[in-house]
Amino acid sequence: ETGVTQTPRHLVMGMTNKKSLKCEQHLGHNAMYWYKQSAKKPLELMFVYNFKEQTENNSVPSRFSPECPNSSHLFLHLHTLQPEDSALYLCASSQEQGVDTQYFGPGTRLTVL
Amino acid sequence: AQKVTQAQTEISVVEKEDVTLDCVYETRDTTYYLFWYKQPPSGELVFLIRRNSFDEQNEISGRYSWNFQKSTSSFNFTITASQVVDSAVYFCALSRWISNFGNEKLTFGTGTRLTIIP
Repeated sequence: ETGVTQTPRHLVMGMTNKKSLKCEQHLGHNAMYWYKQSAKKPLELMFVYNFKEQTENNSVPSRFSPECPNSSHLFLHLHTLQPEDSALYLCASSQEQGVDTQYFGPGTRLTVL
Repeated sequence: AQKVTQAQTEISVVEKEDVTLDCVYETRDTTYYLFWYKQPPSGELVFLIRRNSFDEQNEISGRYSWNFQKSTSSFNFTITASQVVDSAVYFCALSRWISNFGNEKLTFGTGTRLTIIP
């Protein structure tokens, strides 16, 4: 089992849809992260969870709603998205927030129509 | 504020050539970490190296080597005898270190797309 997995790998949704992205880490880490990667832009940190508690919300619109039920799983719930939200969404984990190297999943390529 | 600049947007070299990817950073902190990640077409960011600000020794790992120079705020990455499998986007990143809380979040550069031509 690879370290950090993400499902689905590709997602196409309309602006009125509700969908969720899932991330699972098998590394025994305690911190998990959501990043957004848009074309021609640096990776943008969206959310950080440390020991299941949200420790950072980087001014992300409320149409993105994270959930961390345990240290191994992280979700990103999506609703009423905009076309500009189309991007690659990457999940990462580390031993603890910021202390250790972050290991990334393969990402979910999201297209909003 | 922290900033990472990767001035080379795209580089193409012929297989077996050496190639250097540049990374210049800005920070006011004396303690920080620098990283390189590789992103192949599959999308996953693969961790390559982490270097702390007090360790300026160059590092070599197989065909990969890193040159950290605090005097020029640079952390360059060289691939020797490049191979087609090296084709990817490479990201340099910077993290502050805050006592009692460890590192802070990563600041990424915009990446360099490296294409190795067979």
